[in-house]
Amino acid sequence: SAVISQKPSRDICQRGTSLTIQCQVDSQVTMMFWYRQQPGQSLTLIATANQGSEATYESGFVIDKFPISRPNLTFSTLTVSNMSPEDSSIYLCSVFTGAGANVLTFGAGSRLTVL
Amino acid sequence: AQSVTQLGSHVSVSEGALVLLRCNYSSSVPPYLFWYVQYPNQGLQLLLKYTTGATLVKGINGFEAEFKKSETSFHLTKPSAHMSDAAEYFCAVGNTDKLIFGTGTRLQVFP
Repeated sequence: SAVISQKPSRDICQRGTSLTIQCQVDSQVTMMFWYRQQPGQSLTLIATANQGSEATYESGFVIDKFPISRPNLTFSTLTVSNMSPEDSSIYLCSVFTGAGANVLTFGAGSRLTVL
Repeated sequence: AQSVTQLGSHVSVSEGALVLLRCNYSSSVPPYLFWYVQYPNQGLQLLLKYTTGATLVKGINGFEAEFKKSETSFHLTKPSAHMSDAAEYFCAVGNTDKLIFGTGTRLQVFP
């Protein structure tokens, strides 16, 4: 299965600032997915990033708050803009891998704490 | 649209007892179904999956799940719980476009 690397692994941020999370995959993939896991909760899909087109955002998430880039088939970034304490979460990058490309594999996540 | 419901946010069992974690789904198309496990302070790991074929699927660590279309269920079971099974378990439904996750069930195992 694919190896997914995320940076940073964790960070502490000040309210009102923005942070960009990077996701690198060791193979070319069509779609990359960004999830959020708030403390003690499940995973919520933020958006799907396709190379060469704008990201598709889920209900409740907007591009101004979570701009996404997808410059090539192995890399994506998610920016969390104008952060507030409510944005404190683990942000996870994921891709489909395996035979049939139907297993969602996750990066280790980026744990953000907003003060 | 697809959705998934996990019944019971917390399940407690004794070591050696049967583990049953419940998952029901809604899908307008034949679903892919998954169980993931998250150990404390660790990432998500795939336990097992159903895509097509045999409806009883076996996963890692002795877990298995059965896809029951008539009941729209995909419950996770293990005959005998071990202390190391204590973790958060997530059911997910989807296809190759995206996965939707349930709210999770925290499994506690008592000696």
